Amino acid sequence: AQTVTQSQPEMSVQEAETVTLSCTYDTSESDYYLFWYKQPPSRQMILVIRQEAYKQQNATENRFSVNFQKAAKSFSLKISDSQLGDAAMYFCAYRSAFGGGADGLTFGKGTHLIIQP
Amino acid sequence: DTAVSQTPKYLVTQMGNDKSIKCEQNLGHDTMYWYKQDSKKFLKIMFSYNNKELIINETVPNRFSPKSPDKAHLNLHINSLELGDSAVYFCAAEARGRGTEAFFGQGTRLTVV
Repeated sequence: AQTVTQSQPEMSVQEAETVTLSCTYDTSESDYYLFWYKQPPSRQMILVIRQEAYKQQNATENRFSVNFQKAAKSFSLKISDSQLGDAAMYFCAYRSAFGGGADGLTFGKGTHLIIQP
Repeated sequence: DTAVSQTPKYLVTQMGNDKSIKCEQNLGHDTMYWYKQDSKKFLKIMFSYNNKELIINETVPNRFSPKSPDKAHLNLHINSLELGDSAVYFCAAEARGRGTEAFFGQGTRLTVV
């Protein structure tokens, strides 16, 4: 079974600065997907960014980028120019590419990101 | 139009009752899921369902059962509710295939008293 570990229960960053959230995972599979989801106080789960394991290039979405290290099984999220609206719980998630991903997403325990004005 | 919608958003009920949470998706995706988020915010899959197969997480009590009247709906039925069932339940929809993401409903906060 796959596991996802987020070692930072809480992170704090000054507005406009850069913060990196850590995520490691354990799997014996070679093909899979990795995701970062954001959950603001509204409770809605919002996709931030995704990475396909067979792609070596790190995914980027505007101010959000990842550092994907497949050999190290590491998938960190970097948020640049932090904004107050970035304050939320951030979840790292894994999905197998085998069986169509029928097992769904395996989540880490989340990192609570606080933005200091 | 909301891609995945759940009703109700909040549900307060007494121990021993039977309740249902409804989920509808308008994305045309072939796979739907139910996830449970506990009081510590930990999210765990409960069920994965498409028109061909149902996959049940082995830790889910058999008091929980998904019912799919059609491809756009996956309702969650819970019998004999217990205090420990209090949580937020999320429905999600996904098109199986490469590079797809799961779209989540807004969640249902269930409180058992």
